[in-house]
Amino acid sequence: EAQVTQNPRYLITVTGKKLTVTCSQNMNHEYMSWYRQDPGLGLRQIYYSMNVEVTDKGDVPEGYKVSRKEKRNFPLILESPSPNQTSLYFCASRATAVEAGSPLHFGNGTRLTVT
Amino acid sequence: AQSVAQPEDQVNVAEGNPLTVKCTYSVSGNPYLFWYVQYPNRGLQFLLKYITGDNLVKGSYGFEAEFNKSQTSFHLKKPSALVSDSALYFCAVRDPDSNYQLIWGAGTKLIIKP
Repeated sequence: EAQVTQNPRYLITVTGKKLTVTCSQNMNHEYMSWYRQDPGLGLRQIYYSMNVEVTDKGDVPEGYKVSRKEKRNFPLILESPSPNQTSLYFCASRATAVEAGSPLHFGNGTRLTVT
Repeated sequence: AQSVAQPEDQVNVAEGNPLTVKCTYSVSGNPYLFWYVQYPNRGLQFLLKYITGDNLVKGSYGFEAEFNKSQTSFHLKKPSALVSDSALYFCAVRDPDSNYQLIWGAGTKLIIKP
């Protein structure tokens, strides 16, 4: 089944403890992206990747890192999480990077709580 | 600045009635417009898109959307609502200034009452 898989689904951690949220897609998609969703703010893009080894900042990249060493995986790293990073996170992919008409495929989300 | 607005936080509709979820946009050039739906505890799912051509676009689950260039709107519609349509709906537009990224509306919660 074609899908975007995020892990974990739920994560509770403490301030300053490094964490990684994994994202993997099995559709050979070029483009991948991370978003955070907060009530009343919709989706805000954190980072995106147009292809392997190519990553760019989105609207809210502060406090996050990403890497794209291989096409299928796009992990999100929080080196020193803070409570304001408590949010619902989504990974998404689409077939091509430059054809913005192709739809995004989303993972089921990771709910992160930082205390 | 490029933007998308969904003016209603919540829309309530009785089952069987037509529904409309509103979206307006402000972008330079020709817009690429999208609707996505989010069911509880799930990621967003693509519903439909407008790139060019017919102003009325048909999508998944019986939804359609009407592109209106003069009013810069892209409202989502369905002739007869189902309780299972209750979800969070997002409108998005391609940002011509930002390397093919999307600008997202804040979302509209659609509640269909039996």
